[in-house]
Amino acid sequence: DGGITQSPKYLFRKEGQNVTLSCEQNLNHDAMYWYRQDPGQGLRLIYYSQIVNDFQKGDIAEGYSVSREKKESFPLTVTSAQKNPTAFYLCASSMTEYSNQPQHFGDGTRLSIL
Amino acid sequence: DAKTTQPPSMDCAEGRAANLPCNHSTISGNEYVYWYRQIHSQGPQYIIHGLKNNETNEMASLIITEDRKSSTLILPHATLRDTAVYYCIVRVSNFGNEKLTFGTGTRLTIIP
Repeated sequence: DGGITQSPKYLFRKEGQNVTLSCEQNLNHDAMYWYRQDPGQGLRLIYYSQIVNDFQKGDIAEGYSVSREKKESFPLTVTSAQKNPTAFYLCASSMTEYSNQPQHFGDGTRLSIL
Repeated sequence: DAKTTQPPSMDCAEGRAANLPCNHSTISGNEYVYWYRQIHSQGPQYIIHGLKNNETNEMASLIITEDRKSSTLILPHATLRDTAVYYCIVRVSNFGNEKLTFGTGTRLTIIP
């Protein structure tokens, strides 16, 4: 089935440690996105990428980094500079050929601090 | 993007139609209406979207008023698996550089 796969489902980070969240899609979408969701709150955009080898900062990019070396993959690294990383992280993708195409989401990774 | 207003919660009996309203009185002519839902601990699921005509797919129907200031999402035969938070979003579509802004949504509970 076509879709977006995020892994792992649960992740624990020690103080001072960088961790990488995986996002893979087989929908042949050009655009990919990373959002953060905190309990009882909406989504906040971290980074997005419209095309391979290019990405842009969203509203809360500090303490995060991304890469887009392949169309299918958009990994997110939560660095030690992110002081409050505990959250639910969501990856999404969308077509870009038509202006009204929706974003589709993976099932998320829940990150906690040990 | 236009702001949306949704009731915080609704109940619906299993097997009945669930009608979820959304007000978007400041919508602009080029803004689309999108509906997503989020089941606890899962990612948001896209349901349907439209500009001004009514839309239907395998999941739901979307009814948009003629003045486009409000819309209703209809789940024709609600099941227990439809229990979720439903979000109505109004936005101008761009080409891969847009962010989605989710409000507080409507928590729909399907009653057996």
